[in-house]
Amino acid sequence: DVKVTQSSRYLVKRTGEKVFLECVQDMDHENMFWYRQDPGLGLRLIYFSYDVKMKEKGDIPEGYSVSREKKERFSLILESASTNQTSMYLCASSSHLLGGYTFGSGTRLTVV
Amino acid sequence: DQQVKQNSPSLSVQEGRISILNCDYTNSMFDYFLWYKKYPAEGPTFLISISSIKDKNEDGRFTVFLNKSAKHLSLHIVPSQPGDSAVYFCAARVSNTGNQFYFGTGTSLTVIP
Repeated sequence: DVKVTQSSRYLVKRTGEKVFLECVQDMDHENMFWYRQDPGLGLRLIYFSYDVKMKEKGDIPEGYSVSREKKERFSLILESASTNQTSMYLCASSSHLLGGYTFGSGTRLTVV
Repeated sequence: DQQVKQNSPSLSVQEGRISILNCDYTNSMFDYFLWYKKYPAEGPTFLISISSIKDKNEDGRFTVFLNKSAKHLSLHIVPSQPGDSAVYFCAARVSNTGNQFYFGTGTSLTVIP
């Protein structure tokens, strides 16, 4: 069964902490994405990557960075966590050729 | 600017009846559309897709209709079941510019037993 695995389901961090959210896929997909989901705002794209060591800003990249050192792993970094980054974070991957994303189960991050 | 819009944040339907979820888009270049279903504390799961060369795609109880002239997409669920209660997202992309999908804000469907 193909999978996108996010390392944590629930995370609580303090304001100002550096936070790492990890995502691993086992489908050899080229594309990987980080979204956040907030009530009334839907899924908003933070960053995406079409290849190893490649990254592109999405719609809301401020306060975030990413790393893709290996094809299967895409990390989202909150450089200095703030309360407005409390959200559900969703990682997804896709093939260049096939339609649709496969999503991970999400990480519910709370910044206090 | 939201390129994909779901104007109904919520919908309630009796079990056994039809659920109709709507989605509008602004970019006429979108040529591939998806519906995802999301339960609380889980990631979205793929439900059904449609390409712009079609106006209808059916998969069991789920049918997606595409009206390109109106830039409108709808998902029909017949008959609705309590297990269908979830948030539904529509998504669209322009295929020859990469694989980035644009998502709507979601509609929360409640199917009442």
